[in-house]
Amino acid sequence: ETGVTQSPTHLIKTRGQQVTLRCSSQSGHNTVSWYQQALGQGPQFIFQYYREEENGRGNFPPRFSGLQFPNYSSELNVNALELDDSALYLCASSSLTRDTQYFGPGTRLTVL
Amino acid sequence: AQRVTQPEKLLSVFKGAPVELKCNYSYSGSPELFWYVQYSRQRLQLLLRHISRESIKGFTADLNKGETSFHLKKPFAQEEDSAMYYCALLYSGGGADGLTFGKGTHLIIQP
Repeated sequence: ETGVTQSPTHLIKTRGQQVTLRCSSQSGHNTVSWYQQALGQGPQFIFQYYREEENGRGNFPPRFSGLQFPNYSSELNVNALELDDSALYLCASSSLTRDTQYFGPGTRLTVL
Repeated sequence: AQRVTQPEKLLSVFKGAPVELKCNYSYSGSPELFWYVQYSRQRLQLLLRHISRESIKGFTADLNKGETSFHLKKPFAQEEDSAMYYCALLYSGGGADGLTFGKGTHLIIQP
């Protein structure tokens, strides 16, 4: 069984740029959730994708958007990057929306 | 809005001593609670989920709806328990089932 993978491991962007982060869900999982974890904080829910549709989102602006593909992998896109977007971005997959979520290792984004 | 509070940012105990990591929540619906653990340089991983009522690595947690708490306990701490612990609440809002996390407690087990 392959676990959740994320790419890239880390990246550096400048303010105003756009970024795409990628996630491959665990085998057999059709639901992907994205979280932002700022330094010293717990993860914060961004949004969830279920069967290629956005299933709902947390308190994040529309410049945070995503996609889910037929193989259930997912992308997180952030436009017009701000300094406060610097964080660890975590992807989690589950077999159903209310099932246990399994996390990837994260992508560390630094915005300068 | 839902909220999870972990009052201790850091907890240091000696090996063999009992451990209790506190977690309180506020949520208007029926709560579903988890403890996740992150060991050094590893990913966040599930420790236990209250509905499964399992004991993992000697840890247990009981949901107390009256006190809105889900404290994590272990009778005898081991050095390998040193890690970051997060309490999380699964909520349903806007169609999504997202997790709300506390800020975490850094547990240090001293030899």
